[in-house]
Amino acid sequence: DIQMTQSPSFVSASVGDRVTISCQASQDIDNSVSWYQQKPGKAPKFVIYIGPSFRSGAASRFSGSGSGTDFTLTINDLQPEDFGTYYCQQSESFPLTFGGGTRVEIK
Amino acid sequence: DEQLVESGGGLVQPGRSLRLSCTASGFILGQHAMGWVRQAPGKGLEWLGFIRSRPYGGTTEYAASVRGRFSISREDSKNIAYLQMNSLRGDDTAVYYCARDGHKNWYFDLWGRGTLVMVSS
Repeated sequence: DIQMTQSPSFVSASVGDRVTISCQASQDIDNSVSWYQQKPGKAPKFVIYIGPSFRSGAASRFSGSGSGTDFTLTINDLQPEDFGTYYCQQSESFPLTFGGGTRVEIK
Repeated sequence: DEQLVESGGGLVQPGRSLRLSCTASGFILGQHAMGWVRQAPGKGLEWLGFIRSRPYGGTTEYAASVRGRFSISREDSKNIAYLQMNSLRGDDTAVYYCARDGHKNWYFDLWGRGTLVMVSS
């Protein structure tokens, strides 16, 4: 199975900051990675897919990049509503796997 | 407005079965692969399985942790997907989400609100 390792596990940042979350795959997965945001007590919400057919479900301040084993989600101009836990997920092969999550706190 | 709503969760004894339903509205479920993901209390997301759309065979994929105990099916005429869970164990306690596949790329572009399953005697 492909393991997805996220870092950091927690980040605290101020409104207007740039936040970068990393996700490392245990093997080459080309660029088949998606990102989700989950707020406490709520369902996850699709943020971005950076695979062969790029898709975004979030505001333009969210961007994703990477290929091979290293991937990044960047939140530019952090907004109060961007708090929550962010998960990466690989879709290169079954079983699909998620990263352990990165909690983003607004200072 | 596109929406997924899960139902069928609740308290169940170990060893028993439960069937969850995922009802879609605002889009044609039959045009999409559908997946199930769960989240144990205080934990991260765990993918459980996928069912492809009929044009792609309607076949399924499962995580090793549930293969042989859980099965996914679909009833496109009713816009519903199902998760049949057998031989439930305490570590199956979680919120169960159904989610829609995004453009045949095996990510989830639409999620339901989730339904809680508690396995306890």
